[in-house]
Amino acid sequence: EDQVTQSPEALRLQEGESSSLNCSYTVSGLRGLFWYRQDPGKGPEFLFTLYSAGEEKEKERLKATLTKKESFLHITAPKPEDSATYLCAVQAVIFGKGTRLHILP
Amino acid sequence: SQTIHQWPATLVQPVGSPLSLECTVEGTSNPNLYWYRQAAGRGLQLLFYSVGIGQISSEVPQNLSASRPQDRQFILSSKKLLLSDSGFYLCARGEGTSGEKLFFGSGTQLSVL
Repeated sequence: EDQVTQSPEALRLQEGESSSLNCSYTVSGLRGLFWYRQDPGKGPEFLFTLYSAGEEKEKERLKATLTKKESFLHITAPKPEDSATYLCAVQAVIFGKGTRLHILP
Repeated sequence: SQTIHQWPATLVQPVGSPLSLECTVEGTSNPNLYWYRQAAGRGLQLLFYSVGIGQISSEVPQNLSASRPQDRQFILSSKKLLLSDSGFYLCARGEGTSGEKLFFGSGTQLSVL
């Protein structure tokens, strides 16, 4: 059975304190690993797609990486506006429960 | 631009009442469409997806149903709501051929009392 597990469930950081979010997955034949950002009361917003181990994507302070078993979302020098829930998905439709990220000013 | 319209934004319904949530998509033809539910403490749960008019696949057995009467219209319905139907309902369209990225609507927060 295809599965996605995200950790930690919640993370509080000081502004400028870099960290990483983890997404572990079990899937038969990966057809894409997806990262989304979700603000409270809104629908998720697409960030990145990764297809093969070793692939990396960057956008502003975010960098996503992929191995054969997990993906990391690295946040460098975060700002309060990066506070959100970050969701990981595999095969386009199987989502993890997300990591709630809170950046303190 | 491609836009997903979902309404209403908030809905409070009594147990046993019917439900109809509508999603319409602009700017694209024959999109793959999805209904998700997001309950407190749980991840996004795929409820239904559709690859075309009249084509519905159900992922979770429940008292909800979906229909796609037009290419860009996707409707989620229930004849009698249960307390457990409360949650944040999201419509999404897929884009891509080798694994789809999803674009979501703004969602409907449903409270069943």
